[in-house]
Amino acid sequence: NAGVTQTPKFQVLKTGQSMTLQCAQDMNHNSMYWYRQDPGMGLRLIYYSASEGTTDKGEVPNGYNVSRLNKREFSLRLESAAPSQTSVYFCAGGAGELFFGEGSRLTVL
Amino acid sequence: GENVEQHPSTLSVQEGDSAVIKCTYSDSASNYFPWYKQELGKGPQLIIDIRSNVGEKKDQRIAVTLNKTAKHFSLHITETQPEDSAVYFCAASFSGFGNEKLTFGTGTRLTIIP
Repeated sequence: NAGVTQTPKFQVLKTGQSMTLQCAQDMNHNSMYWYRQDPGMGLRLIYYSASEGTTDKGEVPNGYNVSRLNKREFSLRLESAAPSQTSVYFCAGGAGELFFGEGSRLTVL
Repeated sequence: GENVEQHPSTLSVQEGDSAVIKCTYSDSASNYFPWYKQELGKGPQLIIDIRSNVGEKKDQRIAVTLNKTAKHFSLHITETQPEDSAVYFCAASFSGFGNEKLTFGTGTRLTIIP
C-alpha cells in the first residue's frame, strides 16, 4: 500500500520544454489535487479533480494542464516550461484528511 | 477567496518547553481547519484538525484552539521533543461536500534545541 506516488522525483528542464508529472493513488479517493510549494509561500493549489472525469482550476492554474485519466491517476502537464515554474510539486488525494506524495522537485533553466 | 496568515515563520524552543503557532483566516464561511507537519524531503502529513463547531481539540501533546469570532486558530505543542522539529502548516477550507480545497498558510519552521 504505497498511498500517493509521484514521478519523477527530480527533473531539470530548459525554458520552453514540456513535461508531465505523474501521480497515482491506491487509496480509492475520489478527489485528487496538485499543489506547488515555494519558499515563503506555503502550498498553493494548481488544479484539483473532485471525481474521475472532472477537473477544476485552483489558485495558480496558468501554464499548467491536468488529466484525470481514471480514479487512480491524475497528471500535471507543463506545455512550455518557464523559470517561474521552478518549484516543488505535490500531488494529494483525499477528502477531509489529505494524503500527499513525497513531491517532485522541478528546476527550469 | 480565502486568505490564511501564519505566524511566526520561524520558532526555536528549548526541548521540553511549549511551542505555539498562530493563524488567521479571512472567509467566515470556512469551517475546517487542519494542521500539517512536513519533515525534510517529505510531503505534509496531517497531525490534527478542528471543525468550526468545536472550540478546542487535543491529541496527547498537541492541541488546537479555534476562535470563530476573531477568525483565528492556534497549534499548541507541549513538552517538545527533537522529533517535533519540522515545518508546520495551518490551512482552512469550507468543507461539506467531501472536496477539500484547502488554503494553506506560509508555514512555520520549528526547531527544538536539545
